[in-house]
Amino acid sequence: DGGITQSPKYLFRKEGQNVTLSCEQNLNHDAMYWYRQDPGQGLRLIYYSQIVNDFQKGDIAEGYSVSREKKESFPLTVTSAQKNPTAFYLCASTPAREAYSPLHFGNGTRLTVT
Amino acid sequence: AQSVTQLDSQVPVFEEAPVELRCNYSSSVSVYLFWYVQYPNQGLQLLLKYLSGSTLVKGINGFEAEFNKSQTSFHLRKPSVHISDTAEYFCAVTTRTGGGNKLTFGTGTQLKVEL
Repeated sequence: DGGITQSPKYLFRKEGQNVTLSCEQNLNHDAMYWYRQDPGQGLRLIYYSQIVNDFQKGDIAEGYSVSREKKESFPLTVTSAQKNPTAFYLCASTPAREAYSPLHFGNGTRLTVT
Repeated sequence: AQSVTQLDSQVPVFEEAPVELRCNYSSSVSVYLFWYVQYPNQGLQLLLKYLSGSTLVKGINGFEAEFNKSQTSFHLRKPSVHISDTAEYFCAVTTRTGGGNKLTFGTGTQLKVEL
């Protein structure tokens, strides 16, 4: 079955360490997205990529970095510059770049930084 | 820029009762509207979407929503809920003006179905 795989499901890190969250899709989708979810705040867009080797900042990109070297992969690095990194991170993809194309989500990675 | 307001953070309801989850949006241009559902510790699943045409949209699991342009609303309804409908529901909006699918999400409504 096709889908989006996020790993690991739970991740624990010490403050000051960079950490990379994995997102892989086998849906052959062009566009991929990273969202951050905090209780009571909904989802906020971190970065998105509409094509390989290209990506754009979302609403809360500070302290994060991404790469898109392959169509199926869109890893997110949470750097030590991110002031409040503990959150639930969701990766998503869409088959086309048009605005009407619904998002397909992975099951998320819950990051805890202490 | 667009925005979404979900006024109710929590909605408790008894099983087999009807439910309405409210969503209002703000945008200066034409929009596409979506409802997603999230079960605990999972990603979001698409319930339904409004792109154009009929203002009453039917989705999965017996849910439906009505687009009301004059009231800038897109409320989600179900005539009879089940325990399995307990989840968090997100309304989302994007515009038709291009730039890819950059959804703006509401803060979510937790639906709790009780026996």
